[in-house]
Amino acid sequence: TQLLEQSPQFLSIQEGENLTVYCNSSSVFSSLQWYRQEPGEGPVLLVTVVTGGEVKKLKRLTFQFGDARKDSSLHITAAQPGDTGLYLCAGVGGTSYGKLTFGQGTILTVHP
Amino acid sequence: EAGVVQSPRYKIIEKKQPVAFWCNPISGHNTLYWYLQNLGQGPELLIRYENEEAVDDSQLPKDRFSAERLKGVDSTLKIQPAELGDSAVYLCASSLAGGNGYTFGSGTRLTVV
Repeated sequence: TQLLEQSPQFLSIQEGENLTVYCNSSSVFSSLQWYRQEPGEGPVLLVTVVTGGEVKKLKRLTFQFGDARKDSSLHITAAQPGDTGLYLCAGVGGTSYGKLTFGQGTILTVHP
Repeated sequence: EAGVVQSPRYKIIEKKQPVAFWCNPISGHNTLYWYLQNLGQGPELLIRYENEEAVDDSQLPKDRFSAERLKGVDSTLKIQPAELGDSAVYLCASSLAGGNGYTFGSGTRLTVV
C-alpha cells in the first residue's frame, strides 16, 4: 500500500509568518501534486512537480520535489489570511498508473 | 469551459435508503475518478474509469456501492443501502491520460441520519 505522510496536520499562524508543509513517502511517484481546498469545494491544483530536485515557485509559494521523488515540501512566505485552507499533497502513479494517492492534508489557519 | 459538474451538492437521507450521485467530467477527459473524503482528511479513491471500463475498483465496498459509466462520459455512483458511516463528501474528478489536467468537481456532501 502506498502512503503519503503529510505534516503537520494542523497549523495556526499569524499573518506575515512563514511556514512549511512536508509530504513524505516510502514509494516513488512519477510526479507529485499539491492542492488547496476550501470548505464546500473540491481540491484545486496548485502545482505539479515531476523531476527529482525540482523547485517551482507560485508567487509566495515554493514547492520542492525530493531528489528521489519520494518527498516534497510546500513553503509559504509571509502568509496571508487568504491562504487559509486545506493543503493536500498527492502522488501520481507509482504502482498504479494515473492514480492519485493523497496525504492526510494540512489544515492551515492564518490569523489577521 | 465548464469544469467537472456534480449533482446534487447536498443530500440528506435516512439510513438504509438508496442514494445516487451524478458526475459530468470535462469534455475530452477519458479518465474519471470517484473519491470519498471525510472532514479534514485527504480524498480516498473509490473507483477509476478509463472510458467506460472500471480499471481500479479495489477500494469500492462492492456490497453496497456500485458505479457505472455506460457511454464513457457521465458517471453515477450509487449506495444501497446507505449507512451512518457513509456520511462524507463524494468527489468526482477527471483527467487526460496519465493523470494530466486532473480536475475535481465541487463534490456531493452526503449526510445519513
